Amino acid sequence: NSKVIQTPRYLVKGQGQKAKMRCIPEKGHPVVFWYQQNKNNEFKFLINFQNQEVLQQIDMTEKRFSAECPSNSPCSLEIQSSEAGDSALYLCASSLRGQNSDYTFGSGTRLLVI
Amino acid sequence: TQTVSQSDAHVTVFEGDSVELRCNYSYGGSIYLSWYIQHHGRGLQFLLKYYSGNPVVQGVNGFKAEFSKSDSSFHLRKASVHWSDSAVYFCAVSASSGSWQLIFGSGTQLTVMP
Repeated sequence: NSKVIQTPRYLVKGQGQKAKMRCIPEKGHPVVFWYQQNKNNEFKFLINFQNQEVLQQIDMTEKRFSAECPSNSPCSLEIQSSEAGDSALYLCASSLRGQNSDYTFGSGTRLLVI
Repeated sequence: TQTVSQSDAHVTVFEGDSVELRCNYSYGGSIYLSWYIQHHGRGLQFLLKYYSGNPVVQGVNGFKAEFSKSDSSFHLRKASVHWSDSAVYFCAVSASSGSWQLIFGSGTQLTVMP
């Protein structure tokens, strides 16, 4: 069982709907990452946090995606207006340090946009 | 720009066989290399990493990998596979400075026949 808890496991949304997923990082891990894994096993980095602060994010994240990691609450990733191309497995990972550190991944949230 | 190449999309072996999963990278500076395993429908599980020191690193479940700077490789090996080793294996590289992201290879599907 993963020490990073992601909910829900599956999410089905219509195009244009909001899609929100949550992640509880491993206890004591201040660094959190979100990745998108498509059906071709291609990974795309979306955003990462150290404690509550955004460290890096890609342009896609800035436009339709929003994410936060509030203190004492789960981290979240929300797609404001889902598109068919957003259908993928969204993986949350946490680590003790950002660099040269093992990542603990959650089981992922599989999003299907119909 | 870092790249990771996994030349074999599929590898099939019999239980008890040895296996080598190939990974080559391109990056000019010092790097951090790792292997992850993903069972069907699950998240990624950390296997092992290399950053410095002994080029042969031992991981979980009998896996090991050898770093070679001259060949730009970080191949994963196991002496005797079990059916439960059937999964997709991802090689990943992250820069030791700057970006904290992981750059993943395309994955190798390992199938262990009984």
